Amino acid sequence: EPEVTQTPSHQVTQMGQEVILRCVPISNHLYFYWYRQILGQKVEFLVSFYNNEISEKSEIFDDQFSVERPDGSNFTLKIRSTKLEDSAMYFCASKPGTGYSNQPQHFGDGTRLSIL
Amino acid sequence: QKEVEQDPGPLSVPEGAIVSLNCTYSNSAFQYFMWYRQYSRKGPELLMYTYSSGNKEDGRFTAQVDKSSKYISLFIRDSQPSDSATYLCAMSPISGGYNKLIFGAGTRLAVHP
Repeated sequence: EPEVTQTPSHQVTQMGQEVILRCVPISNHLYFYWYRQILGQKVEFLVSFYNNEISEKSEIFDDQFSVERPDGSNFTLKIRSTKLEDSAMYFCASKPGTGYSNQPQHFGDGTRLSIL
Repeated sequence: QKEVEQDPGPLSVPEGAIVSLNCTYSNSAFQYFMWYRQYSRKGPELLMYTYSSGNKEDGRFTAQVDKSSKYISLFIRDSQPSDSATYLCAMSPISGGYNKLIFGAGTRLAVHP
């Protein structure tokens, strides 16, 4: 069964450094998402991406964050100048496109980001 | 009032028991409901989704939605130790293709042999 793939599984970074989290969504999916889950807390929406642009972002997703689809298969989340409070699990999700707008999102296994 | 409320548990049941997991919500715009299962250090895995009031069954799992009461449930019959995980409810408005999901806090379930 097709799946969303995320790399790396664990990223350790010094505070203030930049990180890039990578995702390969399910092939032929057209909607892409990033969520995060701070330890012991809810899964929270960060951003949605469709047709090569951000379609919605949460108040968490400030200028420190950016997303990109650099080619036909990858979807990345960049966090600049990381802070201790950015430590969390980051999940990528995708879903099919037009005509399947009510299909559910499928999630990857996440990247655990640890800021030191 | 939180948009989505879910009892975090933990819930501990013997193998073979019927498990009932529940969420309530406050936003009447929510029309689309999902249940995900999450094992430790893994991503949410889709179990059920529905956008109708009533019941939807898939094997040992039944999802129930009551939009008038803003209440959704997941029932697990003949629970197995492998069902031990955190169960997340999630929901979104039905309009638009890119709608974000709003999650509950998750209920930790332990099924003991």
